[in-house]
Amino acid sequence: DAGVIQSPRHEVTEMGQEVTLRCKPISGHDYLFWYRQTMMRGLELLIYFNNNVPIDDSGMPEDRFSAKMPNASFSTLKIQPSEPRDSAVYFCASSSRRGNTDTQYFGPGTRLTVL
Amino acid sequence: QKEVEQDPGPLSVPEGAIVSLNCTYSNSAFQYFMWYRQYSRKGPELLMYTYSSGNKEDGRFTAQVDKSSKYISLFIRDSQPSDSATYLCASGSGAGGTSYGKLTFGQGTILTVHP
Repeated sequence: DAGVIQSPRHEVTEMGQEVTLRCKPISGHDYLFWYRQTMMRGLELLIYFNNNVPIDDSGMPEDRFSAKMPNASFSTLKIQPSEPRDSAVYFCASSSRRGNTDTQYFGPGTRLTVL
Repeated sequence: QKEVEQDPGPLSVPEGAIVSLNCTYSNSAFQYFMWYRQYSRKGPELLMYTYSSGNKEDGRFTAQVDKSSKYISLFIRDSQPSDSATYLCASGSGAGGTSYGKLTFGQGTILTVHP
């Protein structure tokens, strides 16, 4: 398996622009997580899905952030409008309840810079 | 107070040293405890997984959980330069419903093992 796939790997944009991050989870996994990582705050859970349904979005910073999972093999995290304080590395992770553990498998991340 | 607290370091040790990494947690519902390793500019990857209290050993790595004191530890014996990375502890309740699958991460400890 190719693992969790994220695109783009790097994104540089200007304040006010819309940013869309993409994730393809591991095939067969029924949980998908979006995290943000910064030096100051560490790894923060933004939102997670189970069977394509959002379960907990309490970590989403504000209305500028939105996430969707239209099918089991694709999810997006959108920031509109983007701000410099959104600069961070955004990770997608997936897991499977069938394994009876909470082990999450992470993608390589998208490094976002908002100028 | 964060549910999982971890000293961010940085920690620098000579090759061959024994490394001790620690976390504390506050949520009594946590049952699963993990250590993730994250190399620079990569996503976190699972290193050790422990259920409830006790020890688990895997090669040079030993994970310990003391639920009575809510303390999580990772020991690395005969540390190598290739162990240089950020180590993140994570905990989950594994409960049913909306809590399943969700992990809470510590801040991460930056470890450097120098030759």
